[in-house]
Amino acid sequence: NAGVMQNPRHLVRRRGQEARLRCSPMKGHSHVYWYRQLPEEGLKFMVYLQKENIIDESGMPKERFSAEFPKEGPSILRIQQVVRGDSAAYFCASSPGREGETQYFGPGTRLLVL
Amino acid sequence: AQTVTQSQPEMSVQEAETVTLSCTYDTSESDYYLFWYKQPPSRQMILVIRQEAYKQQNATENRFSVNFQKAAKSFSLKISDSQLGDAAMYFCAYSKDSNYQLIWGAGTKLIIKP
Repeated sequence: NAGVMQNPRHLVRRRGQEARLRCSPMKGHSHVYWYRQLPEEGLKFMVYLQKENIIDESGMPKERFSAEFPKEGPSILRIQQVVRGDSAAYFCASSPGREGETQYFGPGTRLLVL
Repeated sequence: AQTVTQSQPEMSVQEAETVTLSCTYDTSESDYYLFWYKQPPSRQMILVIRQEAYKQQNATENRFSVNFQKAAKSFSLKISDSQLGDAAMYFCAYSKDSNYQLIWGAGTKLIIKP
């Protein structure tokens, strides 16, 4: 059973470009969470999605950031018009959604904005 | 709002010795989940141990155990027989529900001295 997959592992963008981060949850997992880790800090929650639904986006900036988890395919975190402050590690986690289950994390995508 | 505090930015221990990492949290919930995650230099986030608040028995996973003090809102991690591979950042995390966002501490960097 493959773990949570994220790609790309490293992404370099210039200011003003778009960044697309992908997350494929573990097989059988229908819940996806995105977290951001700034250098030397802990993780901060961004958004929680189920298939075709955003359950909680309270941690996501209102502008430039969006997320989706379509019926088919990976979850996508999209950052438009990136700025240097968006440079961070973005982690995806998945869970099966059953009570008591744990979130399992992908390896993260390191975004560097030049 | 729930918060998680790790007051030790860095800890060091001699190989084969025992070390305890501290974590306190604040919540008004009676049922919740607590976690310790390890982040080695590879930056992958790895679950070390979890505790359900309704369980009085402290969780144990091989050399890793917790001291869960619900009244004091304390959740420390004890690593016995420390090994070089234990060197990593350790994050304490809280969730009020298994299908809910994780709230993270700032992390403790653990150094293992050979």
